[in-house]
Amino acid sequence: ELKVEQNPLFLSMQEGKNYTIYCNYSTTSDRLYWYRQDPGKSLESLFVLLSNGAVKQEGRLMASLDTKARLSTLHITAAVHDLSATYFCAVESTNAGKSTFGDGTTLTVKP
Amino acid sequence: DADVTQTPRNRITKTGKRIMLECSQTKGHDRMYWYRQDPGLGLRLIYYSFDVKDINKGEISDGYSVSRQAQAKFSLSLESAIPNQTALYFCATSGENAEAFFGQGTRLTVV
Repeated sequence: ELKVEQNPLFLSMQEGKNYTIYCNYSTTSDRLYWYRQDPGKSLESLFVLLSNGAVKQEGRLMASLDTKARLSTLHITAAVHDLSATYFCAVESTNAGKSTFGDGTTLTVKP
Repeated sequence: DADVTQTPRNRITKTGKRIMLECSQTKGHDRMYWYRQDPGLGLRLIYYSFDVKDINKGEISDGYSVSRQAQAKFSLSLESAIPNQTALYFCATSGENAEAFFGQGTRLTVV
């Protein structure tokens, strides 16, 4: 059974600081997704990582995937208040066609 | 119009009642999913379908059933609702090797 662990689960940052969210998973996979959820809202896709060593960047967020270590990271650079949200990683088991979600990291960016 | 539409958006029902949540998508994807989200937790997969004739149980299917009426429509039923099925329910669709697109969610309360 695929297990996905995110840490930290809660993160309070000051604006302008950098931080990294980690997503570890337990079985072989080469497909990993990052989503953002604002309070009371749906999930929206941030990044799709489909191969070992994949790196994607959008604004102040950068995601990477190391399939050998079974680890993905979401790095936040110079955080701003608008980044406050819950971030989920989701891992798709090889040939399964379905994803298992981590419990989410709730990020609060303070002035 | 939204890519994935869920109805109703909010519903309060009594214990023992049957309820159906509906989902339709305009992305043209074959894959559709039903997830449940509880406070502080990630999304847990209830059922998923890769095409009209292919329906599979997810990790928490007990107490739920689904129907795939067409490529674009995937409904979730609670045959006899119980209070611990109170949750936020999301429908999603995806293509192969691609991110999921989520509906806006249905907030279900069972009293």
